[in-house]
Amino acid sequence: KAGVTQTPRYLIKTRGQQVTLSCSPISGHRSVSWYQQTPGQGLQFLFEYFSETQRNKGNFPGRFSGRQFSNSRSEMNVSTLELGDSALYLCASSLSQEQFFGPGTRLTVL
Amino acid sequence: AQSVAQPEDQVNVAEGNPLTVKCTYSVSGNPYLFWYVQYPNRGLQFLLKYITGDNLVKGSYGFEAEFNKSQTSFHLKKPSALVSDSALYFCAVRDIELIFGTGTRLQVFP
Repeated sequence: KAGVTQTPRYLIKTRGQQVTLSCSPISGHRSVSWYQQTPGQGLQFLFEYFSETQRNKGNFPGRFSGRQFSNSRSEMNVSTLELGDSALYLCASSLSQEQFFGPGTRLTVL
Repeated sequence: AQSVAQPEDQVNVAEGNPLTVKCTYSVSGNPYLFWYVQYPNRGLQFLLKYITGDNLVKGSYGFEAEFNKSQTSFHLKKPSALVSDSALYFCAVRDIELIFGTGTRLQVFP
């Protein structure tokens, strides 16, 4: 069974731009979660989607948003990028308690 | 609020020696505890989980973890370390989302 895939793997943007990251979960998994990983803040939860509905949201500003499609694929969007948004963005899919992570998208904001 | 703590930023061990990476937790109710490993420029890989049952949980790559309710600990262990075990290890507790510890860098020296 294929694992969680994330595209693109690397991205470079400038301040003020917006970005969209994509995540394809493991086949059959309906829950997708997003996390941000930075050296200073560690791993922080962004949001979770289940059956196209946002089920839970972390403590991030409204510039961070997401959605989930009927095939469970998910996208997250960050608008008006700031330097501090530079991070590894990880997507995870789950069927029950265990979450399986993708390789992440490394976003660099210049 | 649920939380986990990893008191050691780094653990150094010689190849062939046993290793322990420490984790303590604070939860209300029954804890759902996890260990993940992260190699450079990679996502998180699931190692093992404790939901209920035996206090000694066996996981991937020869790792195991001991759940200790009285000490509120969930330490990761391996009887004989390999150089290839060198990586960043995260303990996590499942609330609605995964709440991660700050991570422990394991360095195994030949």
